[in-house]
Amino acid sequence: SQQGEEDPQALSIQEGENATMNCSYKTSINNLQWYRQNSGRGLVHLILIRSNEREKHSGRLRVTLDTSKKSSSLLITASRAADTASYFCATGPRPGAGGYNKLIFGAGTRLAVHP
Amino acid sequence: EPEVTQTPSHQVTQMGQEVILRCVPISNHLYFYWYRQILGQKVEFLVSFYNNEISEKSEIFDDQFSVERPDGSNFTLKIRSTKLEDSAMYFCASSETPGQGNGYTFGSGTRLTVV
Repeated sequence: SQQGEEDPQALSIQEGENATMNCSYKTSINNLQWYRQNSGRGLVHLILIRSNEREKHSGRLRVTLDTSKKSSSLLITASRAADTASYFCATGPRPGAGGYNKLIFGAGTRLAVHP
Repeated sequence: EPEVTQTPSHQVTQMGQEVILRCVPISNHLYFYWYRQILGQKVEFLVSFYNNEISEKSEIFDDQFSVERPDGSNFTLKIRSTKLEDSAMYFCASSETPGQGNGYTFGSGTRLTVV
């Protein structure tokens, strides 16, 4: 798989349920970020977790990072219909790892939350 | 909340024509980026810009592309002779630091359609 691959590609749940999306990557990273994109719109930064952090919370969002497995997960608790969007992970490489200034995005998970 | 502003939101151009996409980054940010997203595909890095020069560019960013910061507020992406495959959503982003801080702030994008 390529850097920053999410799974599942699509997720359909009912309001009130939790949604878990996973991301895997290949190279050394400085940080990993999650973004949200409503259909045809811009990217909204949700949360950033640094390579020396294991877990981070922001409201209903919980992100974990396992650098030994090169993977991250995004959990949205008590989902709402308004959470319907595509969610992307993006990795920020370490200095010297090549591409220090750029984010590498995954293909995204399309989340549909049904009322 | 500070925003990155992009204009126009949608541009239709004929193949071979030059287009300029405009961005106003957040005022105290020092790093600027262009990304693009072909419909249904990943968000791809094009170029990063710092201290009035390109700090990094991808293979996509060939001689047909150029960036400029013509004054203290605008950041532009020029495509000299557009091709059909340049049709995509183009996102501008800015950050205080190269990805180590609170993430990037993306604009809402310009949808470029080359006909």
